[in-house]
Amino acid sequence: EVQLVESGGGLVQPGESLRLSCAASGFSVSSYYMSWVRQAPGKGLEWVSLIYSGGSAYYADSVKGRFTISRDNSKNKVYLHMKSLRAEDTAVYYCAKDIGYGDYVDYWGQGTLVSVSS
Amino acid sequence: SYDLTQPLSVSVALGQTARITCGGDNIGSKNVHWYHQKPGQAPVLVIYRDTKRPSGIPERFSGSNSGNTATLTISRAQAGDEAEYFCQVWDSGHVFGTGTKVTVL
Repeated sequence: EVQLVESGGGLVQPGESLRLSCAASGFSVSSYYMSWVRQAPGKGLEWVSLIYSGGSAYYADSVKGRFTISRDNSKNKVYLHMKSLRAEDTAVYYCAKDIGYGDYVDYWGQGTLVSVSS
Repeated sequence: SYDLTQPLSVSVALGQTARITCGGDNIGSKNVHWYHQKPGQAPVLVIYRDTKRPSGIPERFSGSNSGNTATLTISRAQAGDEAEYFCQVWDSGHVFGTGTKVTVL
């Protein structure tokens, strides 16, 4: 059974950094495209970042240069390193497994809340 | 950037049919996927690649896509169908629609 479990969210001040983790089970993260998608309180879904099975990474313009996605195949985990956090980064961050390139998300984690506030 | 526009809300009487639209420039040339999301929960895929249903999704859910509009249709609406519905396409990343709150009366 596929499961995605996020962790690492919390309350931080503007300008600080945070690392989110996504522990996967039931499949190998090295073989699939993995995304992070966020949802600000009361708002819609916003794609943040994607890491290809080959290791290449892509980012939404809103986080480019501040966020870094990475993967540890030995731990079967995906990470989102976030720096220079802003109030507008406040959201629930979901880890998501893509079915393939340019396609849809077939599994979602339950999300972890990141709050950026002074 | 590519934008997807959905109505803010759709209301449907119990047992009737709800249609949720997703508008985008020449969206008919793209694969459209639909998710529903209930409060406090993660999204769940209900339609993929315009018309296909994942296992476990009732036949009451169907999709179409042509021109500048994709449509998710919920037939014989049930109280359990109340949720936020999002469309999604790929355009150098996942692009999600603005979301539609479906209320079953």
